[in-house]
Amino acid sequence: GQNIDQPTEMTATEGAIVQINCTYQTSGFNGLFWYQQHAGEAPTFLSYNVLDGLEEKGRFSSFLSRSKGYSYLLLKELQMKDSASYLCAVLDSNYQLIWGAGTKLIIKP
Amino acid sequence: TAGITQAPTSQILAAGRSMTLRCTQDMRHNAMYWYRQDLGLGLRLIHYSNTAGTTGKGEVPDGYSVSRANTDDFPLTLASAVPSQTSVYFCASSELAGPGLYGYTFGSGTRLTVV
Repeated sequence: GQNIDQPTEMTATEGAIVQINCTYQTSGFNGLFWYQQHAGEAPTFLSYNVLDGLEEKGRFSSFLSRSKGYSYLLLKELQMKDSASYLCAVLDSNYQLIWGAGTKLIIKP
Repeated sequence: TAGITQAPTSQILAAGRSMTLRCTQDMRHNAMYWYRQDLGLGLRLIHYSNTAGTTGKGEVPDGYSVSRANTDDFPLTLASAVPSQTSVYFCASSELAGPGLYGYTFGSGTRLTVV
């Protein structure tokens, strides 16, 4: 079967750095997405990785290792508004998106 | 504001009743999707449409039907609601079939409670 694993919840301090991990076992791979979802709101696109390595976008970076079936989302200089759930999703060989359950990130002052 | 509009925002529905969740987009996207989101689970695809006039079944289609009469609208119908259909429903769209490089655009969701 296909599986996406993420930690259920993480806590970090305002101004710090946090890394949210995602491991996947899917039938094929055509890219990995990260989304942010604030409570009661729609998911919004953060990043897309299809090649190995680090993609940086301001305070957010996303890393992919296809050989390890592993990705992480790195958030720097955390702000209170970063409190949200972060969803990892993999595009499989049938071009279907397989979603993880999400990681709830709690930011403390 | 451009994007996806879903209605209603929330609804309490008696079991056995039917209901249509509305979804309208103004981005002229070809593909549209319906997902449900349940606590502890990833988003699960119910139905999708790659272009107007065509629809397909996703991972959890039972108990749901869709139509795509035009590009902008993609309603989701529950013919006879059951409590297990209590969930948050998200409509999404993409310019072409599949998420491309920028993923899907999501609506704000409909919170449905079946009692």
